[in-house]
Amino acid sequence: AQSVAQPEDQVNVAEGNPLTVKCTYSVSGNPYLFWYVQYPNRGLQFLLKYITGDNLVKGSYGFEAEFNKSQTSFHLKKPSALVSDSALYFCAVRDVAGGSYIPTFGRGTSLIVHP
Amino acid sequence: GAGVSQSPRYKVAKRGQDVALRCDPISGHVSLFWYQQALGQGPEFLTYFQNEAQLDKSGLPSDRFFAERPEGSVSTLKIQRTQQEDSAVYLCASRRTSGVLEDTQYFGPGTRLTVL
Repeated sequence: AQSVAQPEDQVNVAEGNPLTVKCTYSVSGNPYLFWYVQYPNRGLQFLLKYITGDNLVKGSYGFEAEFNKSQTSFHLKKPSALVSDSALYFCAVRDVAGGSYIPTFGRGTSLIVHP
Repeated sequence: GAGVSQSPRYKVAKRGQDVALRCDPISGHVSLFWYQQALGQGPEFLTYFQNEAQLDKSGLPSDRFFAERPEGSVSTLKIQRTQQEDSAVYLCASRRTSGVLEDTQYFGPGTRLTVL
């Protein structure tokens, strides 16, 4: 079985400050982990993924995420937030060892960046 | 095409009407997924195609929901006798490969269905 949790419904940060959006997961084997962003009335846009290798993954628009196996976390980070980063962020997991080809998505976290 | 496209973008239906939602995946992509996204929720899996074969329809909420991909490219999600609880955004995603191997899903803009 696979599951993912985004413990924060909303994250507020001032422009220029670092941001973190949290994600924890549960799988029986090794996870494939993804972050997507959704702007109003748009589909999900891929940001980054962790498959294997370096625990720090760099993605689009200056975002990065750190895979932490011991804490089963995959938090999304950005050193300096922009107002245009305000959107809905979704974490997703796929249990590859379990043979899953269908990702499970979190409920989403609304990121609000204040000017 | 350059990305996944979906039509219509918005659909308003009266309860009891049938609707058909279309998805054009990225050219050459083998895998196609349909998701339902309720307000304030993440996408929930509905069904999965590998080329023209529907390999998984475990997420379809009732027998009123039907999906097809007859030629392995364009897919249609049909909802018969729509109910108010069917109101949601329906997302289509495609992936270059099939199976469990790593690959990224690319999403369309979605169709927002409102059932009155």
